Amino acid sequence: AQKITQTQPGMFVQEKEAVTLDCTYDTSDQSYGLFWYKQPSSGEMIFLIYQGSYDEQNATEGRYSLNFQKARKSANLVISASQLGDSAMYFCAMREGWNTNAGKSTFGDGTTLTVKP
Amino acid sequence: DAGVIQSPRHEVTEMGQEVTLRCKPISGHNSLFWYRQTMMRGLELLIYFNNNVPIDDSGMPEDRFSAKMPNASFSTLKIQPSEPRDSAVYFCASSPSEVSNQPQHFGDGTRLSIL
Repeated sequence: AQKITQTQPGMFVQEKEAVTLDCTYDTSDQSYGLFWYKQPSSGEMIFLIYQGSYDEQNATEGRYSLNFQKARKSANLVISASQLGDSAMYFCAMREGWNTNAGKSTFGDGTTLTVKP
Repeated sequence: DAGVIQSPRHEVTEMGQEVTLRCKPISGHNSLFWYRQTMMRGLELLIYFNNNVPIDDSGMPEDRFSAKMPNASFSTLKIQPSEPRDSAVYFCASSPSEVSNQPQHFGDGTRLSIL
């Protein structure tokens, strides 16, 4: 069974600093996708960034980048130049490839990020 | 473009009552997911569908829960009878396909309170 582990229940970062949110995963699939979502206090779930298991380059989307280390099965989210609006819960998720449970999705427990002014 | 639409946004009802949550996925999306979020258990996948067919319902907590997807544009999650421990935020999400590189797009959730 696939599993996502986020070991940091809460993180603090100073405004304008960079922060790394950790995520490790476990799967026997060769083909899978890794995702990060943001959930602000208002409750909606917002897709941030995607990394494919076969992608050799780390994904980037604006101030978000994903530090993908396949051998270590880690997919850490890096947020550069933190802003007050980045304060939220962040979830790491994985979707399995379609030769097993086609598209099944698993989420980690989340990390609450607080950006200090 | 319209996102995933869930209704109702809030539901308060007494235990023992039947509860029906509704979801309209994004048009053209072929995968649909139902999640439950609580402080204690986090975000749990209850069931997901590909092309209107349930693929995995192993997350459905018990027989009181059932989900249907009669067509590509509508799904329901039903709880009968409801219990206080079912109180949670229920999210519906859709994705273009079952391919693993497709993100999920979430609705705003239904906040369910069972008294």
